[in-house]
Amino acid sequence: SAVISQKPSRDICQRGTSLTIQCQVDSQVTMMFWYRQQPGQSLTLIATANQGSEATYESGFVIDKFPISRPNLTFSTLTVSNMSPEDSSIYLCSVATGSYEQYFGPGTRLTVT
Amino acid sequence: AQKITQTQPGMFVQEKEAVTLDCTYDTSDQSYGLFWYKQPSSGEMIFLIYQGSYDEQNATEGRYSLNFQKARKSANLVISASQLGDSAMYFCAMRGPGTYKYIFGTGTRLKVLA
Repeated sequence: SAVISQKPSRDICQRGTSLTIQCQVDSQVTMMFWYRQQPGQSLTLIATANQGSEATYESGFVIDKFPISRPNLTFSTLTVSNMSPEDSSIYLCSVATGSYEQYFGPGTRLTVT
Repeated sequence: AQKITQTQPGMFVQEKEAVTLDCTYDTSDQSYGLFWYKQPSSGEMIFLIYQGSYDEQNATEGRYSLNFQKARKSANLVISASQLGDSAMYFCAMRGPGTYKYIFGTGTRLKVLA
């Protein structure tokens, strides 16, 4: 398993601003992912954060809106840019450690006003 | 394309009783993995149980078991001896071959009654 922390745990932001969410893992992992969970909805994969290269984005998500960094094997950031109220969600990072399951961070609750 | 369906938006169960949460899936892959996660109101996703498509026996983890019926493409979660702390959202997810990417169902909200 892996222990994952996220910062901030929650934030309230004004529209038009940007927020960077940090994800820290207690061990080196190859695969890191970022998910969005809109209110009352399921989880949707935003992108796979690749160490040393650009993130791989899923359909409907673009780098300009959700830039991701992965400077090493234990850390990643997701930025939500030019926010609108529709970006109000829980953002979760997860890691795959080589076994079958993914382990998730505690999530970041974002409210955009 | 892969798809996960959870048809029960909400369920109630009496404390100490067993409950089954339904999950059906659709895939053309022969190799895949099925997962269940618990999401309490605090928001974190807690891994519960995994079933591989080639596993012949149903997976069990403590009070959790996965009723895997491959021909019917169902992977229901059974929670035995429900506890108040089991009240949460439960998500079924699937992973295809050669990828770690998950597809999630819409979830079932379980409420355990004292």
